[in-house]
Amino acid sequence: AQKITQTQPGMFVQEKEAVTLDCTYDTSDPSYGLFWYKQPSSGEMIFLIYQGSYDQQNATEGRYSLNFQKARKSANLVISASQLGDSAMYFCAMRWAYGQNFVFGPGTRLSVLP
Amino acid sequence: GAGVSQSPRYKVAKRGQDVALRCDPISGHVSLFWYQQALGQGPEFLTYFQNEAQLDKSGLPSDRFFAERPEGSVSTLKIQRTQQEDSAVYLCASSLEVVRYEQYFGPGTRLTVT
Repeated sequence: AQKITQTQPGMFVQEKEAVTLDCTYDTSDPSYGLFWYKQPSSGEMIFLIYQGSYDQQNATEGRYSLNFQKARKSANLVISASQLGDSAMYFCAMRWAYGQNFVFGPGTRLSVLP
Repeated sequence: GAGVSQSPRYKVAKRGQDVALRCDPISGHVSLFWYQQALGQGPEFLTYFQNEAQLDKSGLPSDRFFAERPEGSVSTLKIQRTQQEDSAVYLCASSLEVVRYEQYFGPGTRLTVT
């Protein structure tokens, strides 16, 4: 069965520093997409970044980048120059080509310290 | 508006009551998903529609849960004879069909069963 693991329940980072949030996944399907979402305390889920299983380059979106290591089945999110507004829950998610469904990891709570 | 909307935003139900939660997806989005999110956890998949067809309902926790999308746009999640364990945030998301497209989430409905 497909599964997403996020081993860090909580992370702290100093403002303006970079932080890496871990995500590993388990699938035997060759075609899938990996997503990261941010959920602030207000509750809305905000899409951050996408990586396709066949993409040759790591995805980047502004301060967000995805460290995709396909052989290790990991898709870590890197946030550069952390801001206080980055404090939130972060979820890694996966979507399979044939299942259409998304599966989410348990999340990592990031706290940015001033 | 351009985003996914859900109503009501908050619902308090007495145990045993029936509730109906509504989701208006983004216009043109073929796929619609319902998730249940318990406090401090990631969203758990409930069911998935492609247009009006319910293609996957494997995540519905019991036969008290029922979802429909009769015209392929608005969807309703109904919970009959609510129980305390049904208390959670119910998230709706819509997406284009193919793998590389992210889901767009609504703000959620927070259901509290007393």
